[in-house]
Amino acid sequence: QVQLQQSGPGLVKPSQTLSLTCAISGDSVSSNSAAWNWIRQSPSRGLEWLGRTYYRSKWYSDYALSVKGRITVNPDTSKNQFSLQLNSVTPEDTAVYYCAVGNLYFESWGQGTLVTVSS
Amino acid sequence: DIQMTQSPSSLSASVGDRVTITCRASQGMSDYLAWYQQKPGRVPKLLIYAASILQSGVPSRFSGSGSGTDFTLTIISLQPEDVATYYCQKYNSGPPTWTFGQGTKVEIK
Repeated sequence: QVQLQQSGPGLVKPSQTLSLTCAISGDSVSSNSAAWNWIRQSPSRGLEWLGRTYYRSKWYSDYALSVKGRITVNPDTSKNQFSLQLNSVTPEDTAVYYCAVGNLYFESWGQGTLVTVSS
Repeated sequence: DIQMTQSPSSLSASVGDRVTITCRASQGMSDYLAWYQQKPGRVPKLLIYAASILQSGVPSRFSGSGSGTDFTLTIISLQPEDVATYYCQKYNSGPPTWTFGQGTKVEIK
């Protein structure tokens, strides 16, 4: 059973960058069969998939159109973790952010991080 | 954009009742449909994937059905521990997108 442990700040100022990390145990970020995702949840937008990274002989990433251009999801093979960076945040980006593992579905989730965008 | 519409948005039923939640996709012919349970203050949990396959460890009172654009989650005998919000989620390829329904809140009467 894969376990995911999130870390990162809960408060980010408008126009700055939101950065979160998800540490993996029970699998490898370089697995040829897993995909590593970021999802957020807010009262206004519900559950929203943001992006993912995965390894299939080389690294790939996919991003939601709603955040494309502002988002980067990167693997860190030395620490067996992956990260989320969301640039130029606004109060609309206030949400609980989750990391999750899965290709078509999300089988295991991190504990969630409430990120508030406020000055 | 693909839209996922769940109904009802909330329901109240008695212990032992049969509960049905529906999810309709605005487009898509695949059966890449999952159901999640989120208890208050908790992380979403995968219940069913590929429209009808029960995730390991999920009680057999939960079942899923449907194909194409119309899907159903059924709880055949509602239990107090089933109080939660239930979400459907669909995957579509080209480019890959994952879309969630708005949720159905289930309460005990």
